[in-house]
Amino acid sequence: ETGVTQSPTHLIKTRGQQVTLRCSSQSGHNTVSWYQQALGQGPQFIFQYYREEENGRGNFPPRFSGLQFPNYSSELNVNALELDDSALYLCASSTDQLIETQYFGPGTRLLVL
Amino acid sequence: GENVEQHPSTLSVQEGDSAVIKCTYSDSASNYFPWYKQELGKRPQLIIDIRSNVGEKKDQRIAVTLNKTAKHFSLHITETQPEDSAVYFCAASIIGGATNKLIFGTGTLLAVQP
Repeated sequence: ETGVTQSPTHLIKTRGQQVTLRCSSQSGHNTVSWYQQALGQGPQFIFQYYREEENGRGNFPPRFSGLQFPNYSSELNVNALELDDSALYLCASSTDQLIETQYFGPGTRLLVL
Repeated sequence: GENVEQHPSTLSVQEGDSAVIKCTYSDSASNYFPWYKQELGKRPQLIIDIRSNVGEKKDQRIAVTLNKTAKHFSLHITETQPEDSAVYFCAASIIGGATNKLIFGTGTLLAVQP
């Protein structure tokens, strides 16, 4: 198992609500990427944080936002939840943005009703 | 845009047989190709990866091959075992670019029949 942890493990929200998901990266890792994995599909890149700055963003609307803290842990915030936001949200950490290996956390399963 | 195609979507083999999963990427700048195994309800786990300056890499029963000209890469699992049953994802990335995001394929559900 990797040292990447995520919380909560499961979450149920209703349309229009807001949610915050959390990720603690593996010790020594300063880069965190977030991915959305819909049922039966591969993970889709949301954005990446490197040393507390956003360092690249996928094709997701602005209501998906994030933060990275000085200890390199990270948050993913989603506003105005839609039914299609129901998915497994994965964070992955790596030693550096130039280092290829990304280690995934266990994910947060979000259900929007 | 960037895209990774993966085939087949499902693969059923007998225990002891070999399994091959193929991927094609669109961005010729891609230089890093990892493979992840994801068991039901679990996180994706890196099983093997290859960089573009290498044509083949092997780790026990698992091997990956890369054809840069054709923009193809493949995962080969020999002597399959029931515990190999899982969803396998290929991915492509550009290391040294603006961001080393992973572009994933759609996954292959491998079922190893005892």
